[in-house]
Amino acid sequence: GAGVSQSPRYKVAKRGQDVALRCDPISGHVSLFWYQQALGQGPEFLTYFQNEAQLDKSGLPSDRFFAERPEGSVSTLKIQRTQQEDSAVYLCASSLDLTSGYNEQFFGPGTRLTVL
Amino acid sequence: KQEVTQIPAALSVPEGENLVLNCSFTDSAIYNLQWFRQDPGKGLTSLLLIQSSQREQTSGRLNASLDKSSGRSTLYIAASQPGDSATYLCAVRPPPGGADGLTFGKGTHLIIQP
Repeated sequence: GAGVSQSPRYKVAKRGQDVALRCDPISGHVSLFWYQQALGQGPEFLTYFQNEAQLDKSGLPSDRFFAERPEGSVSTLKIQRTQQEDSAVYLCASSLDLTSGYNEQFFGPGTRLTVL
Repeated sequence: KQEVTQIPAALSVPEGENLVLNCSFTDSAIYNLQWFRQDPGKGLTSLLLIQSSQREQTSGRLNASLDKSSGRSTLYIAASQPGDSATYLCAVRPPPGGADGLTFGKGTHLIIQP
């Protein structure tokens, strides 16, 4: 594909519902990142995968947040029992390889989550 | 913990002016620094990436410099155009082996007046 794609682009959830956000990285990209961007703020790191291995989940704000990338390609970010403070844009990024010299991150358009 | 600050938070200038956006970071142990552009309701578009060993990168009317020891980077935009209006974000990447994600500033909201 031409770039990183994310779906849905917009999601409205009632407080307490579970949501699942999907990310399709650029084909062949080894590394995949999830970020959370609150209104008026810069993105904040949530979690990182290298292929199917989740190597860093230090940014996940609570145990309600869970991410997976079972086949080393598509990734899903799941949020259980959503709260109003979870309202944000969730951005996915991929890069060719962490350890190579060329490790520019390419971002998807994001999923805007609104929790009512 | 790495902190990234961008100054100014907002900037409005007439078309045609040259301008400088500033980014500073507290921990000089970075792997690279990346400048992004974000349009309203859109994702991030990478503009320039500077490796820690480099001093600057250029792409068209954009020039980014990096002074790693002082924890500073600048993005220079020459001959600004209304289409340059967007939020500009800088982000730093730590060396491999530590935390993995980018640390972003809050951005500079730029408006170029026609």
